[in-house]
Amino acid sequence: KAGVTQTPRYLIKTRGQQVTLSCSPISGHRSVSWYQQTPGQGLQFLFEYFSETQRNKGNFPGRFSGRQFSNSRSEMNVSTLELGDSALYLCASSLRLRETQYFGPGTRLLVL
Amino acid sequence: ILNVEQSPQSLHVQEGDSTNFTCSFPSSNFYALHWYRWETAKSPEALFVMTLNGDEKKKGRISATLNTKEGYSYLYIKGSQPEDSATYLCAFDILTGGGNKLTFGTGTQLKVEL
Repeated sequence: KAGVTQTPRYLIKTRGQQVTLSCSPISGHRSVSWYQQTPGQGLQFLFEYFSETQRNKGNFPGRFSGRQFSNSRSEMNVSTLELGDSALYLCASSLRLRETQYFGPGTRLLVL
Repeated sequence: ILNVEQSPQSLHVQEGDSTNFTCSFPSSNFYALHWYRWETAKSPEALFVMTLNGDEKKKGRISATLNTKEGYSYLYIKGSQPEDSATYLCAFDILTGGGNKLTFGTGTQLKVEL
């Protein structure tokens, strides 16, 4: 089975722009979670989607949003980028809620 | 804000040494404790999911124990090998709420030297 894939892998944007990141879960997995990692910080939970519905949201500003499609693929969007949004963004999928999560390789975003 | 702490922050050991790390988490509203291994340039890899107080899990040379009453988990590596070099993360899953809202610790970075 193919693992979790994320596109793009690397991205450079400038302040004020917006960005959309994509995540394709393992086939059959219905839950997708997003995390942000910045230097010195652990993985910070952004949000989780299950069956196209947002089930949980972390403590991030409204500039961070996401959605999930009927095929379980998920996208996250960050509007009005700030320098502090430079980070590694990881998505993880699980078969059902509250089960082991399998992580993708991440998208490294640099905001200049 | 949930507090999940891991110690030590980093560790250098010699090949063949046995080592252990600690993960501390809230002792209330416990649902599960996850351990992940994250090698450089790779994705985090799930090691264990632990749900019961007193639980012990083993995978090859790696094992973990869980004490939910006092809020800690230990990860042990027996006979460390260079390929064990990675960051080991624990993540706390809270009882309230129905989804996967994991709170991660900042990790223990292990370096195994020849």
